[in-house]
Amino acid sequence: SQQGEEDPQALSIQEGENATMNCSYKTSINNLQWYRQNSGRGLVHLILIRSNEREKHSGRLRVTLDTSKKSSSLLITASRAADTASYFCATDNGNTGKLIFGQGTTLQVKP
Amino acid sequence: DAGITQSPRHKVTETGTPVTLRCHQTENHRYMYWYRQDPGHGLRLIHYSYGVKDTDKGEVSDGYSVSRSKTEDFLLTLESATSSQTSVYFCAISELKGGNQPQHFGDGTRLSIL
Repeated sequence: SQQGEEDPQALSIQEGENATMNCSYKTSINNLQWYRQNSGRGLVHLILIRSNEREKHSGRLRVTLDTSKKSSSLLITASRAADTASYFCATDNGNTGKLIFGQGTTLQVKP
Repeated sequence: DAGITQSPRHKVTETGTPVTLRCHQTENHRYMYWYRQDPGHGLRLIHYSYGVKDTDKGEVSDGYSVSRSKTEDFLLTLESATSSQTSVYFCAISELKGGNQPQHFGDGTRLSIL
C-alpha cells in the first residue's frame, strides 16, 4: 500500500533555480526519509527527519515536516544539472522496521 | 558507498524457470531487505531479514522466498518465474531497524522474464 505520495510527479527547472517536492502520507509516522535515485542506480539516502522535528538542513537541502497535515517537503536550492534524478520519500509508520516508499518525483535540471 | 553487491546485474530468463538473486554486503549490518521497483508503484518490500536465518514477509512476498545463512549474504529466489515478476530488484541494508536509520541500497538487478 502506498503511504507517501510525492507531488509533482515530474519537475523541470533551469540550473540555479530552486526545486520543491512534496510528500503526503496517510498514517502517523515516527520518521520520514528522503532518497535520491540516479538513472540506473540504487537509492541514496539524503535526510531523515523525526516526527518531533519541523525542519532539517543538509547542505543545499531543506526538509520540512508538518505532522498535522501529514506532509513533508524537500527543497533543493541553487539546483545543478547533477541534481537531475528521482526523489522519493519513505515513511516508517511504526516500529516495524519497514519503510514504505512513494512513487517519486522526477527532477530534470537543465544546464 | 556502502559495500553492497548485487548479482547478477542483468538477467533474462523464461517463464517457469527458477531464478536466484544474490545480495552480498561487507558492512556487517544486521538488517537486509529485498525490494522490487516498477513504474507506477515505486519501491515495494518483498522480504527482509533481521539476522541469520531470521526473515519475514513484506508487502509483495507471494512467489518469492529468501534465505540468509550468513550475515553477509541474502538470497532472493523466484521458484517458478512469471512475467509479472519482470522488474528491477534492489537489495538494501541497515544497521538498525530500517525506519529509524537510513537504508543503503545496491545498484539493482534488472530481471526480464519472457
